[in-house]
Amino acid sequence: GAVVSQHPSRVICKSGTSVKIECRSLDFQATTMFWYRQFPKQSLMLMATSNEGSKATYEQGVEKDKFLINHASLTLSTLTVTSAHPEDSSFYICSARGGAQKQPQHFGDGTRLSIL
Amino acid sequence: QQQVKQSPQSLIVQKGGISIINCAYENTAFDYFPWYQQFPGKGPALLIAIRPDVSEKKEGRFTISFNKSAKQFSLHIMDSQPGDSATYFCAASMGGGYQKVTFGTGTKLQVIP
Repeated sequence: GAVVSQHPSRVICKSGTSVKIECRSLDFQATTMFWYRQFPKQSLMLMATSNEGSKATYEQGVEKDKFLINHASLTLSTLTVTSAHPEDSSFYICSARGGAQKQPQHFGDGTRLSIL
Repeated sequence: QQQVKQSPQSLIVQKGGISIINCAYENTAFDYFPWYQQFPGKGPALLIAIRPDVSEKKEGRFTISFNKSAKQFSLHIMDSQPGDSATYFCAASMGGGYQKVTFGTGTKLQVIP
């Protein structure tokens, strides 16, 4: 089945550091990727939608200068948390979808970000 | 505004029993209703999904019941097993699932031996 890989699975870094998370579709071309954020024991909240080759569309309340998204190829999207602070600590999950209509999204295993 | 409401928040079921999780939605433009299973430290995995033109869909021990007029849908897990212990999310999307997914609040299921 379709596989979406996220890297790294866990990252711990100091406040003020910028962190890049990668999301790769391994066996299909992902025309659209979605980035979600999940706090402990809470639901997934969509942060942004990115289409290959174009600017990401951010959900209301999500700072686009804080969470930089790049979707430069059909198999890779990156989320960069710039100048991360402790309140940015969370579980970040990406999903990817191919170009055909009515294709479900496939989720990665998430990245646990901890900012000290 | 929570567009997809889910209950209960947590559920304890004995092995072999039926687990039932309920969801309600508000936006009538939703036309794809998936259920996801999430284990700790992992991303959600698609379990089963339904479109509003059918009232029920069954895959193995998992069944979705859908009531379009009431804007409600539910997941039934028959013969629940300890391995089913996880957090379950209902969700809704437009464009046949092509567009962004809106998740429910989640139900933590524990199946006890």
